Amino acid sequence: DAGITQSPRYKITETGRQVTLMCHQTWSHSYMFWYRQDLGHGLRLIYYSAAADITDKGEVPDGYVVSRSKTENFPLTLESATRSQTSVYFCASSEPTGPRGYGYTFGSGTRLTVV
Amino acid sequence: DAKTTQPPSMDCAEGRAANLPCNHSTISGNEYVYWYRQIHSQGPQYIIHGLKNNETNEMASLIITEDRKSSTLILPHATLRDTAVYYCIVRVASNFGNEKLTFGTGTRLTIIP
Repeated sequence: DAGITQSPRYKITETGRQVTLMCHQTWSHSYMFWYRQDLGHGLRLIYYSAAADITDKGEVPDGYVVSRSKTENFPLTLESATRSQTSVYFCASSEPTGPRGYGYTFGSGTRLTVV
Repeated sequence: DAKTTQPPSMDCAEGRAANLPCNHSTISGNEYVYWYRQIHSQGPQYIIHGLKNNETNEMASLIITEDRKSSTLILPHATLRDTAVYYCIVRVASNFGNEKLTFGTGTRLTIIP
């Protein structure tokens, strides 16, 4: 089905482990984004990507790594997970909603718990 | 980006119109008003956006004051499924989809049966 999918939906990992969250979109949208959502902080931008092999930092990039070798995939890696990275992670891509407007389409999220 | 101010919570009776206000008194001439909502545990969902004219789509209507310092999102016949957190966001629109939207804390709308 067309859309934006995230996997896994739920993940529990131990402190210090590496974990990768996957994001796949079927529209070939150029721009993709990773947000985290924590109680009391709302949604905060971690990283975004303008196209394959082009990425840039958002508001809270520390502790995260992204890559975008293909337009449709935008994985987010926690190189050494910490408890403070326990959060719900949302991936999004942007699409034209006309005129001159672009709406985000978000995935269903990954709930990550670091123990 | 211009800051927005929204009430933290609102209630609305099922079947009635829900009117969600947003103040954006520092909005610039090239900034659009966007509305998103987030139903519990789901990713945010785009609703509508506008520059200065009122806009309507299948989900909602957006009324922007003439001075553009405030706006109102209207859900004409609220249902229980409209219970969600609603975010008002002001951002420069682009032709390339590269807006980095900044989400505030939004308004928690509860539809009462």
